[in-house]
Amino acid sequence: GDSVTQMEGPVTLSEEAFLTINCTYTATGYPSLFWYVQYPGEGLQLLLKATKADDKGSNKGFEATYRKETTSFHLEKGSVQVSDSAVYFCALSNTDKLIFGTGTRLQVFP
Amino acid sequence: DTGVSQNPRHKITKRGQNVTFRCDPISEHNRLYWYRQTLGQGPEFLTYFQNEAQLEKSRLLSDRFSAERPKGSFSTLEIQRTEQGDSAMYLCASSLDVGGWYEQYFGPGTRLTVT
Repeated sequence: GDSVTQMEGPVTLSEEAFLTINCTYTATGYPSLFWYVQYPGEGLQLLLKATKADDKGSNKGFEATYRKETTSFHLEKGSVQVSDSAVYFCALSNTDKLIFGTGTRLQVFP
Repeated sequence: DTGVSQNPRHKITKRGQNVTFRCDPISEHNRLYWYRQTLGQGPEFLTYFQNEAQLEKSRLLSDRFSAERPKGSFSTLEIQRTEQGDSAMYLCASSLDVGGWYEQYFGPGTRLTVT
């Protein structure tokens, strides 16, 4: 069945460092890909999405490109802030339901 | 738009008891989803509704679990004869299906602890 694999955390960075969180997927067909974020004490929020190959999703300085040839959707940010500390989930959808990875905790220190 | 709400936020119950959770979606949303999230894992799909019709159920949803969405508004998820393995965060999400892709908005979740 369809699945998502994320790098394990926690990822610990200093403020203004470059961030990459790896995500690869296995799916039939042409799924849509997503990154969700969960800030402490809050619900899951959509961060960005891409619905077809080579699409780049972007939001709040975060970017991810849908790479069909490598079945990847890595999350990047050029300069992280303390406020970016959260758990990040990569997900895919082939039909209606979302299939999530296990999540990667990001901790950013001043 | 008050967002997706879930009640209760926390529930502690003894093994063997029945529990019921409620989800109120964003008012105009016609789709409603239930997911379960255990510690250190991502959310796992349980079931979803389009209006009042339950369209898909995961194999994770054993016969002790039942979900309803009467009149296509709020939804309830009931777990009968709870087991310790049912301890998890139960998440509800809603979306508006207008064709194509539609964002799922998540509620804060109900944390269930079975002792």
